[in-house]
Amino acid sequence: QLVESGGGLVQPGWSLRLSCAASGFSVTNSDLSWVRQAPGKGLEWVSVILGGGDTYYADSVKGRFTISRDSSQNTLYLQMNSLRDDDSGVYYCAREFGGLDVWGQGTTVTVSS
Amino acid sequence: DIQMTQSPSFLSASVGDRVTITCRASQDITNYLAWYQQKPGKVPKLLMYVVSTLQSGVPSRFSGSGSGTDFTLTISSLQPEDVATYYCQHYNNPRTFGQGTKVEIK
Repeated sequence: QLVESGGGLVQPGWSLRLSCAASGFSVTNSDLSWVRQAPGKGLEWVSVILGGGDTYYADSVKGRFTISRDSSQNTLYLQMNSLRDDDSGVYYCAREFGGLDVWGQGTTVTVSS
Repeated sequence: DIQMTQSPSFLSASVGDRVTITCRASQDITNYLAWYQQKPGKVPKLLMYVVSTLQSGVPSRFSGSGSGTDFTLTISSLQPEDVATYYCQHYNNPRTFGQGTKVEIK
């Protein structure tokens, strides 16, 4: 199971950190992604952290977002800096095991002045 | 970057119809291809991975095929509960979703 938290309403340029608490498996041994969905739009992959620790980002967030994990808390994070209006949407964390097989319920981020 | 293009963007079919959605990659993605179903207001659900392997619990009326750059998702007999938006995804680097295909009942 995955449970996201940390979403909210922020102004452009602000920062926000999303959390994704995992249960039933270890975040350290898993490939975990963040996926977002703007209102009324399709799915957009954001970032992944592999079991070995390598990280990858979509071009749209590279240099602004950082994915990380904490084994002691069994939690995945997404640090989002320099937020823009088009970063608004529902953010899902998901485990990747032959595709994204376990998803959280999502947390909503709204960037607006 | 790899682009994933789905067609059609919208389709309307009758209950019992055979429905096919295509997904084309801008370059060879071997078999790192998954399909998802997202019902209105719900979390996406994995239907299939490595092109044609059905996720546990997914009805057998769903099937996948393809290789390289061209892939298809087929629903052999459309049911009312299949109303949803379907997405393909390349799940290797760079991970990319198609734009989605909305399926409705005629």
